[in-house]
Amino acid sequence: DVKVTQSSRYLVKRTGEKVFLECVQDMDHENMFWYRQDPGLGLRLIYFSYDVKMKEKGDIPEGYSVSREKKERFSLILESASTNQTSMYLCASSRLAGGGEQFFGPGTRLTVL
Amino acid sequence: DQQVKQNSPSLSVQEGRISILNCDYTNSMFDYFLWYKKYPAEGPTFLISISSIKDKNEDGRFTVFLNKSAKHLSLHIVPSQPGDSAVYFCAASGAGGGADGLTFGKGTHLIIQP
Repeated sequence: DVKVTQSSRYLVKRTGEKVFLECVQDMDHENMFWYRQDPGLGLRLIYFSYDVKMKEKGDIPEGYSVSREKKERFSLILESASTNQTSMYLCASSRLAGGGEQFFGPGTRLTVL
Repeated sequence: DQQVKQNSPSLSVQEGRISILNCDYTNSMFDYFLWYKKYPAEGPTFLISISSIKDKNEDGRFTVFLNKSAKHLSLHIVPSQPGDSAVYFCAASGAGGGADGLTFGKGTHLIIQP
């Protein structure tokens, strides 16, 4: 059974802290993605990666960075967390030529105080 | 500019009846469309998809219809069941096969009334 796991389900951080969100997939997928979901805004793409050490900006990359040192792992980094980054963060993965179907992790609910 | 639009934030349907969720898109480069279902505090789960070369795809109680000329797709759920109550997201990908991410609508909250 395919699986995408995220390191934390709930996280509370303070403004200015550095935050790491980890995502691991066991499907040997080439593509990995980070989205955030906010009420009334749907899912918005932050960053994605189609290969190890490769990264591309999505629609809302400001305030975020990513790291992909291994194929199965994709990390989202908030260099200096701010209150407007309070959100649900969702990681997803897909095959290189999968037609678009992405498999999502359970999400991390991040609250920045 | 929203490229994928779900104009109904919520929809209430009686159990056993048909649920119809609608989605419009503006980008003619989209060629693959997907529906995801999401429960609170969980990640979205894939439901059904359709390629732009088709106009209909069925999977059990779920059918997706695509009208390319109108840039419109719809998801039909028949019959609707209580477990179908969730937020449904329409998503689209371009010629890259989704390697550059999906574009999502804002979602429709489907409520199945007993």
